[in-house]
Amino acid sequence: DAKTTQPPSMDCAEGRAANLPCNHSTISGNEYVYWYRQIHSQGPQYIIHGLKNNETNEMASLIITEDRKSSTLILPHATLRDTAVYYCIVTLPGNQFYFGTGTSLTVIP
Amino acid sequence: GAVVSQHPSWVICKSGTSVKIECRSLDFQATTMFWYRQFPKQSLMLMATSNEGSKATYEQGVEKDKFLINHASLTLSTLTVTSAHPEDSSFYICSASGRGTTGELFFGEGSRLTVL
Repeated sequence: DAKTTQPPSMDCAEGRAANLPCNHSTISGNEYVYWYRQIHSQGPQYIIHGLKNNETNEMASLIITEDRKSSTLILPHATLRDTAVYYCIVTLPGNQFYFGTGTSLTVIP
Repeated sequence: GAVVSQHPSWVICKSGTSVKIECRSLDFQATTMFWYRQFPKQSLMLMATSNEGSKATYEQGVEKDKFLINHASLTLSTLTVTSAHPEDSSFYICSASGRGTTGELFFGEGSRLTVL
């Protein structure tokens, strides 16, 4: 039921920007894009979400393409503590979240 | 941000016994709560959706008589694993959404169940 496709794994050098892509070609007009991450043996942590416009908060930036069929999560200066599995989820507000396989990001010293 | 707390964080039980896991929203009213299960090296699998004061809606393949969910108040939902067996050993995670949010879910810390 997950509507998103993400690469299974990525590496990023510490201090560099981590760009995590997500494809959601079947997204409907009212569905939001949500990003979460999960560090081993913990519950998922909310990062950011958006509908159409690009969004930025203290953790990350979310870039959504004009056709909304894909998005990119950007961690501007990756640290070792950003090593986690990152999930991109597309759904209507208030609806269930179905998780895909996510991207396992490893930040390398 | 909103806080969701789960208890216990880990539990070990004997096969055949029942285990209850609590999920509380600490600083907001959770109209809807979701329960997930996660096996090692796998993604989160949605088990059920519970709305305050009504029966839970279970995902296909999840036994409602085995995984009892109660959402009696706007701040508390419980998951009871009845007659637990070793194959029920897993990481159980709850999440909650509240009124007035833009749909983001807030997740608990998770509860690791080991059935001997």
